[in-house]
Amino acid sequence: NAGVTQTPKFQVLKTGQSMTLQCAQDMNHEYMSWYRQDPGMGLRLIHYSVGAGITDQGEVPNGYNVSRSTTEDFPLRLLSAAPSQTSVYFCASSYKAPGQGSSYEQYFGPGTRLTVT
Amino acid sequence: LAKTTQPISMDSYEGQEVNITCSHNNIATNDYITWYQQFPSQGPRFIIQGYKTKVTNEVASLFIPADRKSSTLSLPRVSLSDTAVYYCLVGVPGGSYIPTFGRGTSLIVHP
Repeated sequence: NAGVTQTPKFQVLKTGQSMTLQCAQDMNHEYMSWYRQDPGMGLRLIHYSVGAGITDQGEVPNGYNVSRSTTEDFPLRLLSAAPSQTSVYFCASSYKAPGQGSSYEQYFGPGTRLTVT
Repeated sequence: LAKTTQPISMDSYEGQEVNITCSHNNIATNDYITWYQQFPSQGPRFIIQGYKTKVTNEVASLFIPADRKSSTLSLPRVSLSDTAVYYCLVGVPGGSYIPTFGRGTSLIVHP
């Protein structure tokens, strides 16, 4: 299994440009989420999905869109990039514990380092 | 979600035991306690999870007192490769629960 993969690893955008960060997992996990991490900070939740076709907002959703058309893929779209979105972006997935919501054991991708100038 | 408080940073030396304590005074009855480890330029990695008393695996031990208002992650005989940020999370699986991360504890292990 490749686990959680993210592309690209690095990206530089100009203010106002749009782009999509890709995330895929091959573990058949139902739960997927996007976090951003700024220098010296913890991870902040952007959006998450509890299954194909179902998404919801996290702590810092403004400026980002997501969709979940398949179990495997959970792309994150930046609509109009701003310098404040310069960050490292992590995608994560987890399985659904029997009879419960997300398992605590999340699997993280390697991250995408985004710079907006 | 219960708020957690951890030290911002800790220093240790190779071969020592390191204990990182997390305070979670408002922990709810059904909440579990989970710890993650993050190396520079990598995503966090699950270390250990517990509900009460003591849990041990090949990497660490987790001690939870009876009142569950705090927990301690214990790393035995640390090495330089244990230098990382350690996050304590509290919550309960259910519904649309997604773990949220604070700033964590930056552990530096010296030779």
